[in-house]
Amino acid sequence: GENVEQHPSTLSVQEGDSAVIKCTYSDSASNYFPWYKQELGKRPQLIIDIRSNVGEKKDQRIAVTLNKTAKHFSLHITETQPEDSAVYFCAPVNAGGTSYGKLTFGQGTILTVHP
Amino acid sequence: ETGVTQTPRHLVMGMTNKKSLKCEQHLGHNAMYWYKQSAKKPLELMFVYSLEERVENNSVPSRFSPECPNSSHLFLHLHTLQPEDSALYLCASSQEGVPYNEQFFGPGTRLTVL
Repeated sequence: GENVEQHPSTLSVQEGDSAVIKCTYSDSASNYFPWYKQELGKRPQLIIDIRSNVGEKKDQRIAVTLNKTAKHFSLHITETQPEDSAVYFCAPVNAGGTSYGKLTFGQGTILTVHP
Repeated sequence: ETGVTQTPRHLVMGMTNKKSLKCEQHLGHNAMYWYKQSAKKPLELMFVYSLEERVENNSVPSRFSPECPNSSHLFLHLHTLQPEDSALYLCASSQEGVPYNEQFFGPGTRLTVL
């Protein structure tokens, strides 16, 4: 099965700073790399994803970069705002291995953005 | 957000009780999932139902019994639970057959076992 590790486990930044969270995985067949955000007391929601044929994807202040050779991908948040404070989970998956999305989640990174 | 709903939102039960968690999705999806989320632990996949058939059971104790009567509804029947089963139980759904499919989560049921 897939082994997934996220670093750091907690991250504290000042508003306006950048934040980077890294996710390493073990299954070289993984080809889909999503990031989920879970605000306090709320459900996880997909915020950005990338496929294995793309090295980088950006959506406004968030971006994801992928290094398939090294088997890791990272979430980048620029110009952080207090509403970015949440737990972030990576969930790499071999989307072609089964017909359903069996995600293996990382342990989560608690991001705190101080005003 | 009303795409995936869960009831009850909070549940307190004794170790000898029997209770059920309910999940309903209004997105037309055909795969549904149960996850357990404990403090300081990653989201743990418990069960997967694809086209109403259970396709995944991640070594979950038999005191947890899932049921999927149709593609819109998913239940988790609980009996003789232990205090360490206290956690947030999340339901999710997705569309099978669509590559790179996003999972949509419900708000969760906060379970406390006394």
